[in-house]
Amino acid sequence: DTGVSQNPRHKITKRGQNVTFRCDPISEHNRLYWYRQTLGQGPEFLTYFQNEAQLEKSRLLSDRFSAERPKGSFSTLEIQRTEQGDSAMYLCASSPPQGSETQYFGPGTRLLVL
Amino acid sequence: AQSVAQPEDQVNVAEGNPLTVKCTYSVSGNPYLFWYVQYPNRGLQFLLKYITGDNLVKGSYGFEAEFNKSQTSFHLKKPSALVSDSALYSCAVRVLDTGRRALTFGSGTRLQVQP
Repeated sequence: DTGVSQNPRHKITKRGQNVTFRCDPISEHNRLYWYRQTLGQGPEFLTYFQNEAQLEKSRLLSDRFSAERPKGSFSTLEIQRTEQGDSAMYLCASSPPQGSETQYFGPGTRLLVL
Repeated sequence: AQSVAQPEDQVNVAEGNPLTVKCTYSVSGNPYLFWYVQYPNRGLQFLLKYITGDNLVKGSYGFEAEFNKSQTSFHLKKPSALVSDSALYSCAVRVLDTGRRALTFGSGTRLQVQP
């Protein structure tokens, strides 16, 4: 499968714990995006990378959230000191360097904070 | 700020009938517009997009959408619905000619096609 992959697919954690999610974009896609989706809502943008540079960050990305893409390939999203309000589906998308504005989404990581 | 409205939480249509899923948007500038579909336990799948050019855009699975600048709408349509079209449909927008690439999504419309 050559689509966007995300791991883990599901994560259950206790409030106050740290969690980390991984996203592997489509090969040769240099743009990578993170979104969050809560029940009954559309995805909300969190952050965007072009290669290893983080070029956009939403105000939703609080100090407890950090995203990295150190080698311009896969990306990680870490949430520190999780809160129940962090429970959501975390979506990753990627898009190619030029010629297409289409973002291709992975299956998501569903986080439940108890 | 940019926003997307999908006024219907759910649309019900009989198989074989035409379907329309509505989307209106608000942006400062020229929009890029997208439709995505989401099946249960599957990720968002790209259906079609409007960037520039012909206002009628054709996409996957027989879907099409019409960009209407004066009404700031981008409604999704299909001439003959299939039961397998039942899914969650999401409209998204971003602004052309800026450095920002974030998509703003509507809240989604659940399409139910009855046999």
